[in-house]
Amino acid sequence: QLHLQESGPGLVKSSETLSLTCIVSGGSLSDNPYSYWGWVRQPPGKGLQWLGSINHGGNTYFNPSLQSRVTVSVDSSKNHFSLSLNSVTAADTALYYCARLTVTRYFDLWGQGILVTVSS
Amino acid sequence: DIQMTQSPSTLSASVGDRVTITCRASQSINTWLAWYQQKPGKAPKLLIYKASALENGVPSKFSGGGSGTEFTLTISSLQPDDCATYFCQQYSAPPWTFGQGTKAEV
Repeated sequence: QLHLQESGPGLVKSSETLSLTCIVSGGSLSDNPYSYWGWVRQPPGKGLQWLGSINHGGNTYFNPSLQSRVTVSVDSSKNHFSLSLNSVTAADTALYYCARLTVTRYFDLWGQGILVTVSS
Repeated sequence: DIQMTQSPSTLSASVGDRVTITCRASQSINTWLAWYQQKPGKAPKLLIYKASALENGVPSKFSGGGSGTEFTLTISSLQPDDCATYFCQQYSAPPWTFGQGTKAEV
């Protein structure tokens, strides 16, 4: 059974770059060529925000509200994909989830989430 | 962006009650809507997609309906294990957007 697990630092300094990796186990990123892999975040006590997505071939698309700061990459050989968010501020403090998107783009599998706090 | 608005923000009901959550889209999204359940400290879990299709393994007590701009999630008999926050998500057009959530309390 496919499993997603986020990893990365839980504390990032303001103005620096937040970097997270999602490790895929129990299957391959490229098993379904139509799947996308993405990142969603949830600030404490708030709702969910989609950040960006990528497929195993490296095709990406992003939330326009964050597009200038977000990068998503994939390493199929290591079976993982990554998120970079630059110039972070306190507003970027959130639980960050990696997830799989189906061909029609709803999220059918989620990681457990990782809390990232931006400190000044 | 397509705005998703859920109501109520919080619902309190008794064990065994039938409860309904509403999600409204700022423009028509056909039936491109999913519902998720999130329990405290846990990742969201997919319940329903394409407005009314039940995800594998999800109890039939959950049902979804609607099309266009108005959608519902119904829990036929609320149980303590259903205490969670429920989110809708549109996938008609990017950026994919979520409702603000409805917290269900028993």
